[in-house]
Amino acid sequence: QKEVEQDPGPLSVPEGAIVSLNCTYSNSAFQYFMWYRQYSRKGPELLMYTYSSGNKEDGRFTAQVDKSSKYISLFIRDSQPSDSATYLCAMGYRDDKIIFGKGTRLHILP
Amino acid sequence: ETGVTQSPTHLIKTRGQQVTLRCSSQSGHNTVSWYQQALGQGPQFIFQYYREEENGRGNFPPRFSGLQFPNYSSELNVNALELDDSALYLCASRRDRGLNYGYTFGSGTRLTVV
Repeated sequence: QKEVEQDPGPLSVPEGAIVSLNCTYSNSAFQYFMWYRQYSRKGPELLMYTYSSGNKEDGRFTAQVDKSSKYISLFIRDSQPSDSATYLCAMGYRDDKIIFGKGTRLHILP
Repeated sequence: ETGVTQSPTHLIKTRGQQVTLRCSSQSGHNTVSWYQQALGQGPQFIFQYYREEENGRGNFPPRFSGLQFPNYSSELNVNALELDDSALYLCASRRDRGLNYGYTFGSGTRLTVV
């Protein structure tokens, strides 16, 4: 079993819809949970980070962590065509490497 | 702050050759990590340097090596290139240790091995 599992998609949704992106993980020792956005031919850009179970909101983005189920989610409200990108979940330990999921390709249809 | 800059942006090498990829981090960013991202995959951790010393390594063979310099620049060296080394190589830096979420990534070097 991989440490981090993420559906690669692609996921296509109409503009204005709520997007739900998810990852599961197997290692209960992970301390940090992050979501990165990666546009084509660019490096990943940090969107959200958290280190506790529960929800964290930043504008149109909400990150959710459920440590008991080893499940994290990213919700995007009022999705825009500019949100079309690959979204990578990532998890890490303090002072150690970050483990990334494969990424989910998201297309927002105008 | 000027971000993280990587060079070159694209590179084509022949199997068996050696390659050096370069990264220029933001001033004050003492920690730099390198990642390999194959097509359709998430980035895979290669190694991490803190104040010019390697302090973490992923599942990559010794032919992947690195250097970090006092001027916040760093290098990734790969010897005896193999076809499977074809990937996007990402450099990421941050100011302090123990704050994994603070990384800034460069746009990467696309390496093709033929």
